[in-house]
Amino acid sequence: DAKTTQPPSMDCAEGRAANLPCNHSTISGNEYVYWYRQIHSQGPQYIIHGLKNNETNEMASLIITEDRKSSTLILPHATLRDTAVYYCIVRSRIQGAQKLVFGQGTRLTINP
Amino acid sequence: DGGITQSPKYLFRKEGQNVTLSCEQNLNHDAMYWYRQDPGQGLRLIYYSQIVNDFQKGDIAEGYSVSREKKESFPLTVTSAQKNPTAFYLCASSIVAETEAFFGQGTRLTVV
Repeated sequence: DAKTTQPPSMDCAEGRAANLPCNHSTISGNEYVYWYRQIHSQGPQYIIHGLKNNETNEMASLIITEDRKSSTLILPHATLRDTAVYYCIVRSRIQGAQKLVFGQGTRLTINP
Repeated sequence: DGGITQSPKYLFRKEGQNVTLSCEQNLNHDAMYWYRQDPGQGLRLIYYSQIVNDFQKGDIAEGYSVSREKKESFPLTVTSAQKNPTAFYLCASSIVAETEAFFGQGTRLTVV
């Protein structure tokens, strides 16, 4: 399974863009990068995923480097409700099932 | 509404007793998962199931058992053999070919 490395914590001012980095240097060619977030004492919430092209949805943008060894999740206008632990995950395929391997994540704090 | 439901939200049990955590989904997903989360830690996979009547051990299956008799249901039993059962338990489901997993709100189990 490709492993990911994220900073343990980050701070961002409300209204500014929050940029969360993730290293996945051992990622293989057919593995996707997924991002989830977990607000305290709740189940994780899916944010976005991508293979090699940049992706954008209503929640965030995902920028993947050309060599695919790292990526950045961008929350364009962070709000206080974006305070959460953000997990970067590289999908592991086991006989067709999708095993999600969660690391420690980045605790993002949005400050007023 | 479609979704994944875990019950109860809080559960207390005496040491040495088996306890079963409920997980139900009406998303018509084939794959279901159980994760455990300890304070300040990431998620760890206990068991997963790709299809009815089939399931596989995850990374920390010892002391746990599951069944998958119906597509909608994937109950987890925490047995007395589990040495440190107090934790936050999360159930998830996904379409087998994708990893956009939907999580329940979790069950916080406390064994005293």
